[in-house]
Amino acid sequence: EADIYQTPRYLVIGTGKKITLECSQTMGHDKMYWYQQDPGMELHLIHYSYGVNSTEKGDLSSESTVSRIRTEHFPLTLESARPSHTSQYLCASSEYSGRGRGNEQFFGPGTRLTVL
Amino acid sequence: QKEVEQNSGPLSVPEGAIASLNCTYSDRVSQSFFWYRQYSGKSPELIMSIYSNGDKEDGRFTAQLNKASQYVSLLIRDSQPSDSATYLCAVNTFNDMRFGAGTRLTVKP
Repeated sequence: EADIYQTPRYLVIGTGKKITLECSQTMGHDKMYWYQQDPGMELHLIHYSYGVNSTEKGDLSSESTVSRIRTEHFPLTLESARPSHTSQYLCASSEYSGRGRGNEQFFGPGTRLTVL
Repeated sequence: QKEVEQNSGPLSVPEGAIASLNCTYSDRVSQSFFWYRQYSGKSPELIMSIYSNGDKEDGRFTAQLNKASQYVSLLIRDSQPSDSATYLCAVNTFNDMRFGAGTRLTVKP
């Protein structure tokens, strides 16, 4: 079954640690995204990718980095976690259609990160 | 002005009533419009998409699009307590998707 996966689902970690949040999709989608969302607040786009070897920064400034070496995999890395990074991180994917139709995004279950 | 605007709510309706959620967007050339439902602590789930002016019905949900007025709405008929969630409006313009901040809906038994 085509889907989008995120691991870990929950992570509690100390300040200064390096962490990588994993995201994989089996839908063959070209475009992938990372959003940050605090409880009860709106989605903020932090990174996206059009395909392999493509990465772009989103609207919200973030100290995280991403890579896209394989179509299905789009990990997000924080080199040195801080309490201000505490949030929910959502990964999404979509087809890349030049026609503009479709392009609906499908979301993974999210990773809830707490930095102590 | 935000690109996609929604009333943050909360919107409260009694069980069995019609819930009406509204969204306006700023870019006249926007092409695709979506409604997502997000339960507390969960990720957004796509429930409706609409591309042409008019109404699109799917079960208890009806999406309405008016490109001339630049608004899109979602009607939920026979609202159930399980419909209580935040509803996000999303607008796609040439592969650039923008989300509204969401409207929180509460359906009271």
